[in-house]
Amino acid sequence: DTGVSQDPRHKITKRGQNVTFRCDPISEHNRLYWYRQTLGQGPEFLTYFQNEAQLEKSRLLSDRFSAERPKGSFSTLEIQRTEQGDSAMYLCASSQRRGGEETQYFGPGTRLLVL
Amino acid sequence: SQELEQSPQSLIVQEGKNLTINCTSSKTLYGLYWYKQKYGEGLIFLMMLQKGGEEKSHEKITAKLDEKKQQSSLHITASQPSHAGIYLCGAAGGGSSNTGKLIFGQGTTLQVKP
Repeated sequence: DTGVSQDPRHKITKRGQNVTFRCDPISEHNRLYWYRQTLGQGPEFLTYFQNEAQLEKSRLLSDRFSAERPKGSFSTLEIQRTEQGDSAMYLCASSQRRGGEETQYFGPGTRLLVL
Repeated sequence: SQELEQSPQSLIVQEGKNLTINCTSSKTLYGLYWYKQKYGEGLIFLMMLQKGGEEKSHEKITAKLDEKKQQSSLHITASQPSHAGIYLCGAAGGGSSNTGKLIFGQGTTLQVKP
């Protein structure tokens, strides 16, 4: 039973460096979501894909952030010129919409620390 | 924009006790999800409610959505240490039937004392 996987699980970087995270969704799921979660808060939506199309981006997603899902399978989230405020848990979720119903299944997250 | 308020923010209960967590929305809920999260890990799906008055149970956890679809509760019966964690409610965002993004409450941290 393969769920959503994320790599790496932890990342420590210095301010100004670029980082890239990967998410592998559940294989038959056509939707993929990225969220960001800071300590003591619920996850906040960043962006989502349906197949390879990026359908929505949050205003939280500054131009330093870019996400791709090139073949409608795995996705990458890149943060350029990281800032200390980018330190957070980055969560990926996938889903398959059926008959108006949709349940998102989350990966274990990538915890980013920017020094 | 839609906001979800959870109460209480944290809860400490003795093993075996019952407890309830509430989630109140600023707008009508078109889909309400409950997740559980262990510290530093991803979210585990518990239940989803869509219809007013709906109630679902899984093992010792029961979730309800009120008739007006603006409030949900999560009830745990005879709590165990394995129930400890952060409980999050999430709503299908924007009231749209097509947007799958979820808006989450701030979470309720549950500790169960053996």
